Amino acid sequence: AQRVTQPEKLLSVFKGAPVELKCNYSYSGSPELFWYVQYSRQRLQLLLRHISRESIKGFTADLNKGETSFHLKKPFAQEEDSAMYYCALKEGGKLIFGQGTELSVKP
Amino acid sequence: EAQVTQNPRYLITVTGKKLTVTCSQNMNHEYMSWYRQDPGLGLRQIYYSMNVEVTDKGDVPEGYKVSRKEKRNFPLILESPSPNQTSLYFCASRGTASYEQYFGPGTRLTVT
Repeated sequence: AQRVTQPEKLLSVFKGAPVELKCNYSYSGSPELFWYVQYSRQRLQLLLRHISRESIKGFTADLNKGETSFHLKKPFAQEEDSAMYYCALKEGGKLIFGQGTELSVKP
Repeated sequence: EAQVTQNPRYLITVTGKKLTVTCSQNMNHEYMSWYRQDPGLGLRQIYYSMNVEVTDKGDVPEGYKVSRKEKRNFPLILESPSPNQTSLYFCASRGTASYEQYFGPGTRLTVT
């Protein structure tokens, strides 16, 4: 079965600190991976995808096929980054989501 | 404005009383999907549809039904709701050639 694992339910950091949200996947093929974000009282929205290799709101994520990981990183966390973050794997027409990590950035 | 809408946004009901949660998108997307979100379990897919009259089970389809008679609508039907279906439900849509999935605002369902 294809799976996505986010080992941390909650990650709490101080403003200005680096942050890394972990995502590991299992997939027999070339994976297509995404990070979605859900701010408080808002709907889920796409943050970034691995193919584009872009930086959105200061976040980056690199696909590491050897470690089957797609960790989300930001060098200096901001309070407005506090949200629920979901890693997702595309399988055909389906998106398989991880359990989610709640990021709390404290002042 | 391109969007996915869901109704109702909040619903409290009793066990066994049939209900329908509607989902509509105005982006002419082929692909639509329903998820439930539960603490510690993340988002789990209930059903999805690749196009009109084409639906398939996701990871947690038990107790749910769907239909896709029109491209824009994808209602979620609970024939006999039970308390374990208390959850936050999200509808989503995506164009076939697109990678980005657009989500609705969510429907919070409580079954007593």
